[in-house]
Amino acid sequence: DAKTTQPPSMDCAEGRAANLPCNHSTISGNEYVYWYRQIHSQGPQYIIHGLKNNETNEMASLIITEDRKSSTLILPHATLRDTAVYYCIVSPRGGGFKTIFGAGTRLFVKA
Amino acid sequence: GAVVSQHPSWVICKSGTSVKIECRSLDFQATTMFWYRQFPKQSLMLMATSNEGSKATYEQGVEKDKFLINHASLTLSTLTVTSAHPEDSSFYICSARPDRATEAFFGQGTRLTVV
Repeated sequence: DAKTTQPPSMDCAEGRAANLPCNHSTISGNEYVYWYRQIHSQGPQYIIHGLKNNETNEMASLIITEDRKSSTLILPHATLRDTAVYYCIVSPRGGGFKTIFGAGTRLFVKA
Repeated sequence: GAVVSQHPSWVICKSGTSVKIECRSLDFQATTMFWYRQFPKQSLMLMATSNEGSKATYEQGVEKDKFLINHASLTLSTLTVTSAHPEDSSFYICSARPDRATEAFFGQGTRLTVV
């Protein structure tokens, strides 16, 4: 079973920041927080990951609470092309570990 | 980043026939690959873990005799849907993660339609 809880859908205005929350209260010490997104009829795409520190890359920022029980993915300037389903996943590192998907959040970016 | 490629991107087959889907890691070796199935407006459901040189591990409820998985090399895993029926119509996705990488890489998916 998925170890994360996300809101089923969110709206965001184009050009504004999109803040997607995720609850992972049962996360283990060796598990990372990963975010992926899936644009319609495509395979999932990696966005960002973190262990306990906040992270930023060219796509997004990841804010992880100090107790690691929740996190927020931030898309700083959402565009129409960011409309997708966003999945928050917890998993250890390494090639043999499964990536188990929950229901995700369907983000609609509106003009 | 690493690339995982699936072939074909879409396929239509008749009921009762079998169809093979290939998943290749193009620039890394993968001792483990994963197969998912996704129905419309649903999330990805893990079907099985493909292990190079050994038998695949299937998730509960997935029929191993219907979904044959072969992982004959470190860069190729295949999923064969045997005796396909219309209810097997779905979007099939594979993934792999290089051992030293932190993230998983996914194929573009294969849309199977059984008529």
